[in-house]
Amino acid sequence: DAGITQSPRYKITETGRQVTLMCHQTWSHSYMFWYRQDLGHGLRLIYYSAAADITDKGEVPDGYVVSRSKTENFPLTLESATRSQTSVYFCASSQVGTGAYEQYFGPGTRLTVT
Amino acid sequence: SQQGEEDPQALSIQEGENATMNCSYKTSINNLQWYRQNSGRGLVHLILIRSNEREKHSGRLRVTLDTSKKSSSLLITASRAADTASYFCATESGNNRLAFGKGNQVVVIP
Repeated sequence: DAGITQSPRYKITETGRQVTLMCHQTWSHSYMFWYRQDLGHGLRLIYYSAAADITDKGEVPDGYVVSRSKTENFPLTLESATRSQTSVYFCASSQVGTGAYEQYFGPGTRLTVT
Repeated sequence: SQQGEEDPQALSIQEGENATMNCSYKTSINNLQWYRQNSGRGLVHLILIRSNEREKHSGRLRVTLDTSKKSSSLLITASRAADTASYFCATESGNNRLAFGKGNQVVVIP
């Protein structure tokens, strides 16, 4: 029962490079979310998806791209990484995206952009 | 923008004492949730309270919601060292998204 997994757990990349963070869930939850966590800001929503092929912007989407071709996967791509994107990234899923149900979080990916 | 704002930001207590955290928000909500985050880990859902509820219990947790004051509190009774973590409130306002506060860091001293 893997639940929700993220890979890689740690990543160091250089400014300007493209990097993709992976998220996989085994529950067949319809909704999936990407957050970033920074000191002083708490968690901020980057993108979310209501179902396969349906995605929408969150609070801080600039510089990020998402796709969802399969229900279980929700990759997040930084097209040209910048130092301001150094952060801890969390993926989450929920059974029903009304917010009336809890979100299940992955372990996070710590990304450093040098 | 951050919907929830927790207060106090950091709390240090002795094992066995109670810990209380507060959360305020600005807009009307459908429900409010509390999450715990242990150091270096993802968030874990603790409890959800709907806008038409005033109080909810789950084990040693007690959550209250005052929609007139747009505030909520989380009480952890008889704290344990394992309760050391950051606690976040999150509000849902009908747009299928959660808005998280900045978090409360709680340290329980054995």
